[in-house]
Amino acid sequence: GEDVEQSLFLSVREGDSSVINCTYTDSSSTYLYWYKQEPGAGLQLLTYIFSNMDMKQDQRLTVLLNKKDKHLSLRIADTQTGDSAIYFCAEFLNRDDKIIFGKGTRLHILP
Amino acid sequence: DVKVTQSSRYLVKRTGEKVFLECVQDMDHENMFWYRQDPGLGLRLIYFSYDVKMKEKGDIPEGYSVSREKKERFSLILESASTNQTSMYLCASSSRLAGGVSGDNEQFFGPGTRLTVL
Repeated sequence: GEDVEQSLFLSVREGDSSVINCTYTDSSSTYLYWYKQEPGAGLQLLTYIFSNMDMKQDQRLTVLLNKKDKHLSLRIADTQTGDSAIYFCAEFLNRDDKIIFGKGTRLHILP
Repeated sequence: DVKVTQSSRYLVKRTGEKVFLECVQDMDHENMFWYRQDPGLGLRLIYFSYDVKMKEKGDIPEGYSVSREKKERFSLILESASTNQTSMYLCASSSRLAGGVSGDNEQFFGPGTRLTVL
């Protein structure tokens, strides 16, 4: 079946690194995504990785993909208060032409 | 053994009544959460608390308030219950992640309180 799982909640101190993990079940996924949803706002595409890559870095964001374990992670370095949001992992299923989303991980920055 | 307990499994109240739902955890967790679960809507976060006396609104805080006077106890309060608050209420707790270390952020859930507001 198609399923994307991620933890519901993560709390970190400002300045520390945040690592949000995600597992997916469909090995035919071609693209994997991280979206960010800030309070009262819609989904914003943060970054994505193609399934033949194992790492992608973009400023403070690092995406790691372990295709063998079907595990995706998003690392946010030097976490800031503006990073407080819900982060959604998603996979694109090429054969069905659809995107499956996880339920989202709420990132809380400790004051 | 990890344990999260909720004061009632089933509760029936009348519209306009003040309702208290209590949750207690024995794991010394910093974080505690109140969710409601409705058919087709999944879990929705009402409020959470990351420390004693600290609280933050979740996605659907309207009509609810919370209290965290002691670390082990997190109370959800419905000031004036309404029929649209009939739901399954789930409490959860988790340890705080210092330094963003993953793997420790598992939430432990209580058995749930099924609240019916007549």
